[in-house]
Amino acid sequence: QKEVEQNSGPLSVPEGAIASLNCTYSDRGSQSFFWYRQYSGKSPELIMFIYSNGDKEDGRFTAQLNKASQYVSLLIRDSQPSDSATYLCAVIANAGKSTFGDGTTLTVKP
Amino acid sequence: DAGVIQSPRHEVTEMGQEVTLRCKPISGHNSLFWYRQTMMRGLELLIYFNNNVPIDDSGMPEDRFSAKMPNASFSTLKIQPSEPRDSAVYFCASSPDAGGYTFGSGTRLTVV
Repeated sequence: QKEVEQNSGPLSVPEGAIASLNCTYSDRGSQSFFWYRQYSGKSPELIMFIYSNGDKEDGRFTAQLNKASQYVSLLIRDSQPSDSATYLCAVIANAGKSTFGDGTTLTVKP
Repeated sequence: DAGVIQSPRHEVTEMGQEVTLRCKPISGHNSLFWYRQTMMRGLELLIYFNNNVPIDDSGMPEDRFSAKMPNASFSTLKIQPSEPRDSAVYFCASSPDAGGYTFGSGTRLTVV
């Protein structure tokens, strides 16, 4: 079992829809959770982080964390074609070192 | 801050040559990471430093790879001798303790 697993995708949604990206992790001691966006040919960019159970909202993005289920998700409301990218989930279990999932590629169709 | 600065952006070299990749982290970030990304293997952690000290180099593929961080503002990743299978994008990233990463723009390495 991988330490951090994501739906491989690709995920395709129409413009204006909600995109839901999911991630599970294996280490129950994990403390910090991050979502990165990577456009094709570019470097990953941190877009959200969450440390506590529940929801955290930032504009059109909502991160959701459920430590009991070892599950973290990213919701993108009113999806835009510019949201088309690969989204990487990352988890810190041991201080300072993130473990990344393989990423989910999202395509938003106009 | 200019962010994490990597050089060169692109490197094409012949098999057997030495390659040196450079990274300047964000000032004040005490952790620095070197990653390699390929389509087949995704994002792989090669090595990470905390306060200039190598903490985990278990991802370094073999002895041909070495990394140094002589001070808080500079790190190098060296491959000697390079092989075609080393072709990838190499990212440097920095972070504050247990924080999110800021990635550099990457170095696209092609070994022919």
